[in-house]
Amino acid sequence: AQSVTQLDSHVSVSEGTPVLLRCNYSSSYSPSLFWYVQHPNKGLQLLLKYTSAATLVKGINGFEAEFKKSETSFHLTKPSAHMSDAAEYFCVVSDQNTGRRALTFGSGTRLQVQP
Amino acid sequence: DAGVIQSPRHEVTEMGQEVTLRCKPISGHDYLFWYRQTMMRGLELLIYFNNNVPIDDSGMPEDRFSAKMPNASFSTLKIQPSEPRDSAVYFCASYGQGTGNTIYFGEGSWLTVV
Repeated sequence: AQSVTQLDSHVSVSEGTPVLLRCNYSSSYSPSLFWYVQHPNKGLQLLLKYTSAATLVKGINGFEAEFKKSETSFHLTKPSAHMSDAAEYFCVVSDQNTGRRALTFGSGTRLQVQP
Repeated sequence: DAGVIQSPRHEVTEMGQEVTLRCKPISGHDYLFWYRQTMMRGLELLIYFNNNVPIDDSGMPEDRFSAKMPNASFSTLKIQPSEPRDSAVYFCASYGQGTGNTIYFGEGSWLTVV
């Protein structure tokens, strides 16, 4: 069975400082991994995805994530936080080889950005 | 494309009433998903369809919940009778060949049962 663990429920950073949101996954097959963002009272927006191509994935708004198979990790980073980055972030896994298209969500990390 | 469209965006209803949530997937997508989001349980998959056929409904909480997809451009999630513990945000999402394994979400339906 596939699963993801987001290691921090809350992360607080100052504007202009780096962001690191941690995610570990468990999957029986070659996974597809995603990061989605949810701003307050909004839907889910795809930030970036890994689907077995380059291990360093660049997404929207300056975010990127690195797939590390040896560590079963897919941490999300951004060099410099903006106030508008304050939101909930979800690490998500999909077992692309099983034919089951549904996503399994992590519990989420709430990012606070202090001025 | 207009994206995944859900209605209503917000609904407040009394316990015992029937609730129907609606979803229009992105044109050409052949998978449709219903998710529920609560503070306690996070995001849970309720059911998903492929080519209008339910594939996995193991996440549907109980018989009070039902979902249908009569055609490729419309799906409903019905709760009858509704209970306060059904209060949540319900998301519809769709996926199709050529999206690079990306599932696109609607804005959600905020349901409050009082």
